[in-house]
Amino acid sequence: GAVVSQHPSRVICKSGTSVKIECRSLDFQATTMFWYRQFPKQSLMLMATSNEGSKATYEQGVEKDKFLINHASLTLSTLTVTSAHPEDSSFYICSAARPNFHTFGSGTRLTVV
Amino acid sequence: DAKTTQPPSMDCAEGRAANLPCNHSTISGNEYVYWYRQIHSQGPQYIIHGLKNNETNEMASLIITEDRKSSTLILPHATLRDTAVYYCIVRVAGTSYDKVIFGPGTSLSVIP
Repeated sequence: GAVVSQHPSRVICKSGTSVKIECRSLDFQATTMFWYRQFPKQSLMLMATSNEGSKATYEQGVEKDKFLINHASLTLSTLTVTSAHPEDSSFYICSAARPNFHTFGSGTRLTVV
Repeated sequence: DAKTTQPPSMDCAEGRAANLPCNHSTISGNEYVYWYRQIHSQGPQYIIHGLKNNETNEMASLIITEDRKSSTLILPHATLRDTAVYYCIVRVAGTSYDKVIFGPGTSLSVIP
């Protein structure tokens, strides 16, 4: 049990366009989900905490208007990278939280060209 | 900031035990020690967690010192597929909203 599906796994987009990444908890409800970003050879960096039915909480230095997070149901959170630029190219990972565990998605490789 | 320190890298011969240390000297009484690993270009995978007693599951064993200031993750018979970055994390269990903050982790290379 405890599967988190992240889609798409890879996306290439043109500079200036927006990209939406979905994170779904398949067999449990998650009131809280988290979004991370990971650059090559670096650790995961927490971007924001997504709470069902309320506004996301962003970590310091993360632009909330650029990284739009929507958590409209107990099983789905989405991250939209707006007006993407090459420096937004990264590996984006979500996690869905239960009281004792965070289960992670398989990640989305975003390349902005 | 991460509350743990780990060696940046380790090597282990295939078939031998891999012992990955972690220091968490500022751990609070209600914080658990969690271990995750990340195989290249995948999301982190949960391995094991514990409070103060040693724990074992099908993947690994977790040994926590009596003062809880450090712990060791043991992979009893390392295989090539265990090559990954291993993250030691402390967090409060029993809540879903407590963040998981990743440090640099230990890059384990299992060598044939």
